[in-house]
Formats: sequence, structure tokens, C-alpha cells
Amino acid sequence: SQQGEEDPQALSIQEGENATMNCSYKTSINNLQWYRQNSGRGLVHLILIRSNEREKHSGRLRVTLDTSKKSSSLLITASRAADTASYFCATVNAGKSTFGDGTTLTVKP
Amino acid sequence: GAGVSQTPSNKVTEKGKYVELRCDPISGHTALYWYRQSLGQGPEFLIYFQGTGAADDSGLPNDRFFAVRPEGSVSTLKIQRTERGDSAVYLCASSLQQGGYEQYFGPGTRLTVT
Repeated sequence: SQQGEEDPQALSIQEGENATMNCSYKTSINNLQWYRQNSGRGLVHLILIRSNEREKHSGRLRVTLDTSKKSSSLLITASRAADTASYFCATVNAGKSTFGDGTTLTVKP
Repeated sequence: GAGVSQTPSNKVTEKGKYVELRCDPISGHTALYWYRQSLGQGPEFLIYFQGTGAADDSGLPNDRFFAVRPEGSVSTLKIQRTERGDSAVYLCASSLQQGGYEQYFGPGTRLTVT
């Protein structure tokens, strides 16, 4: 089974609303990364947070990491229709990346 | 600059045949990763290279799968005696080094075994 588990599996919101996706994992990590994948396309790296960091921001993205709870969250603020995609978290330990099955986000215009 | 490229983009083969999938990483990236992705699932780790050597091949499903990176740049994933269950999108990614660096993904090779 995958290390990272995203929650929810699917999320549908209106344009302008915020979207929050969560990721839980089981073992220790060096860092955790979030990726976006548009339908039929490759994965695009969004943000990397190291195990000694608690929060990172990049534009409209905010990622938190709680290593005591083995969980991370990705917040997309002021969502746009173009944010519609699948979002994956990947835990990295000793160079090896393990992905969850993703959250499918639909942003309705 | 050029991103990660993968060839072919699509491959249809018959059960039992041998296939090779190629990955050209970003120039200067020492780490290279192979994943496969089935519909509705996240990428499943297969193997990663640091330079020419396979640093972790624990994700290869069985001995029909093999990957090489002889000169530390281009990598080839080889699948022998293909089975219908091998059908998936095979993704390659590279990063500056292994571990704490973002991975840049190629567009993938869609393998269909009939």
C-alpha cells in the first residue's frame, strides 16, 4: 500500500473558495512534496517541505507539516478553474519517494 | 532548457514480448527515478539511480523488470515477457540529487499489453 494517503479522495468547490487537502503517512520522512497532475499530463512539482519545517508558502499555496501526527495539508486559497487537477503528496525517505493516490479537485467557474 | 523526455510516448505490444522504455533526464541531474501509474492511482515507485548505480530497486515488481543507466544520463527500463498487468503509464523523473530536491517529471510512456 502507498505510504501517503490523501484525504478527501475528491473535492468540488466554487471558484474563489479555498481548498484544503490532507496527507497522512506512516513512517519517518526526510521531506514531503506536493505535486499536481492535470488529466493525461505529467506531474508538476508544487512545494517541498522538510521534516524540520512546519509551514511553507508559495503564492496561493500553503503547506503545513506535523511530524508528530505524521500528516501534512495543502491549502489553495482563492481557487481558480485552472486549479482543477489531481493533487498528490509524496513522502521522501532515503531518496525513495512514495506517493499517495491523490485528491481530485474540481473548481467550478 | 529542455525538460525530461520519454520515448516512445505510446507503446502497444503483445503479451510475451520484450519492451524498452527510454528516459532522457534534465542535463546535470544526477538522480533519476522510474515510476508507473495506473488509472486513478498515484505513481508507484519502481527504481531510482544516483549516477550510474541503482540506489534503490525495491519497487521493481519482479525479475522481468530491469533498468540501466550506463553513463549516468539516459536510462532505459526493460520489461521482458510482458503481461497484460504491466499496462500502465511509465513515468520518469530526474532531480539535481537524490532526496531533498524536487523531481521533474517527463510526460510518460503509455504501455498497453494486448
